[in-house]
Amino acid sequence: DVKVTQSSRYLVKRTGEKVFLECVQDMDHENMFWYRQDPGLGLRLIYFSYDVKMKEKGDIPEGYSVSREKKERFSLILESASTNQTSMYLCASSLEDRLTQYFGPGTRLTVL
Amino acid sequence: AQSVTQPDIHITVSEGASLELRCNYSYGATPYLFWYVQSPGQGLQLLLKYFSGDTLVQGIKGFEAEFKRSQSSFNLRKPSVHWSDAAEYFCAVGARYGNKLVFGAGTILRVKS
Repeated sequence: DVKVTQSSRYLVKRTGEKVFLECVQDMDHENMFWYRQDPGLGLRLIYFSYDVKMKEKGDIPEGYSVSREKKERFSLILESASTNQTSMYLCASSLEDRLTQYFGPGTRLTVL
Repeated sequence: AQSVTQPDIHITVSEGASLELRCNYSYGATPYLFWYVQSPGQGLQLLLKYFSGDTLVQGIKGFEAEFKRSQSSFNLRKPSVHWSDAAEYFCAVGARYGNKLVFGAGTILRVKS
C-alpha cells in the first residue's frame, strides 16, 4: 500500500510566523501535490512537483512556496502566515499517471 | 476549463437503503473521472476511477459508478449503505496526460439507523 504521511495532524501558529508543512511518501512516486481544503470549496491545488527540485504552480499559489530536495519529501512553506490560511492541508503523490493520487491524512492549520 | 458539480451538499439515507451521489462535469475532451471518500479527520481514499472502456466501474467497499457521456455525469452508487459509509465524497475530473485533478465541493453522507 502507498503510504503518504504528513508531519502534523494539527498545528496552531501566530500571524506572521513562518510555517513548514512536511509530507513524505514511501512509494518512490515522481509526482507530489499540495492542496488546501475548505468547506464548500472542495480541494484546490496549491503547488505540485514532478521531480526533485521541480515545481509548478497550481490554482492558488499566492502566499505559499514549496521545496522538494529529495524525491520522497515535499514541503509546503507559508512565509508569513495569515488568518486566511487557516485550513486543512492535504498532500498527495502519484506515479507517472499524475491523476491517480494517493493522499496523506491532512494537517489542520489554525493561524491566530 | 474543467469543472465538477456535486449538486447535493448533504444526503441522508437509512442504513440498508440504496445510495446514489451525483456528479456532473464540464470538459471538452474525454475526461478521466474519480471518486474519493474522506472519513472524518482523515485524508482522501480513492474509491474508483474511469479512464476508458466499460462505462460501469466497480470500486472498493461495494461502490460502483457509471460514466454517461451524453449527460456529462459520473454518479456513484451503492446498493445497500452501511453506517460506516458516513463520510464526505468527492468527485474529480482530469485530462488525459494532464497535470491535475479538479475536485467538486463534496457531498456529505449521513447514515441513519
